[in-house]
Amino acid sequence: GNSVTQMEGPVTLSEEAFLTINCTYTATGYPSLFWYVQYPGEGLQLLLKATKADDKGSNKGFEATYRKETTSFHLEKGSVQVSDSAVYFCALRNQAGTALIFGKGTTLSVSS
Amino acid sequence: AAGVIQSPRHLIKEKRETATLKCYPIPRHDTVYWYQQGPGQDPQFLISFYEKMQSDKGSIPDRFSAQQFSDYHSELNMSSLELGDSALYFCASSLGGTSGSLYEQYFGPGTRLTVT
Repeated sequence: GNSVTQMEGPVTLSEEAFLTINCTYTATGYPSLFWYVQYPGEGLQLLLKATKADDKGSNKGFEATYRKETTSFHLEKGSVQVSDSAVYFCALRNQAGTALIFGKGTTLSVSS
Repeated sequence: AAGVIQSPRHLIKEKRETATLKCYPIPRHDTVYWYQQGPGQDPQFLISFYEKMQSDKGSIPDRFSAQQFSDYHSELNMSSLELGDSALYFCASSLGGTSGSLYEQYFGPGTRLTVT
């Protein structure tokens, strides 16, 4: 079946540090891949997406590249800020369905 | 820009009671999705509707039912509530939510249901 595996958190970084959150997936066909962010007490916001192999999604300094050969979609940011502290969810949507399938989420905590 | 509206934002019910959650999609969006997020868990897909018809079904308990109305808003009805139903319930909306759709889902702020 379809599934998403994320690195477990929490991830604790100092401001301006480099961030990587690993995400790998299992799916049939060619799924679309997403990163969502959830700030404390709020809903899910789409951070970036990629719909085919080798696509790079980017937004607000975050990037992720759709790697079909390694079935991965790792999230990266060169210099994190305190305001980036949140829970990050990797998700996929396969061609046959409409639902998003989420990973367990990774909590990021950035201190100044 | 208009966002997805969910009501109520918070709801407290007792075991065995019923609850109704409402979702108002972004204007012109014809597809609605419901997700359940337990404490510290990832969101789990429950059900979706496209043009007022059920389009996909996930892990929705038989005690729950949902529908989409002619104005595209949706309601999630939950009966015989159990303690384990305590969760954050998200609604999302999109355009053209058929299989393979590339349209992204926009999430509402969620309804926090507490069952005591």
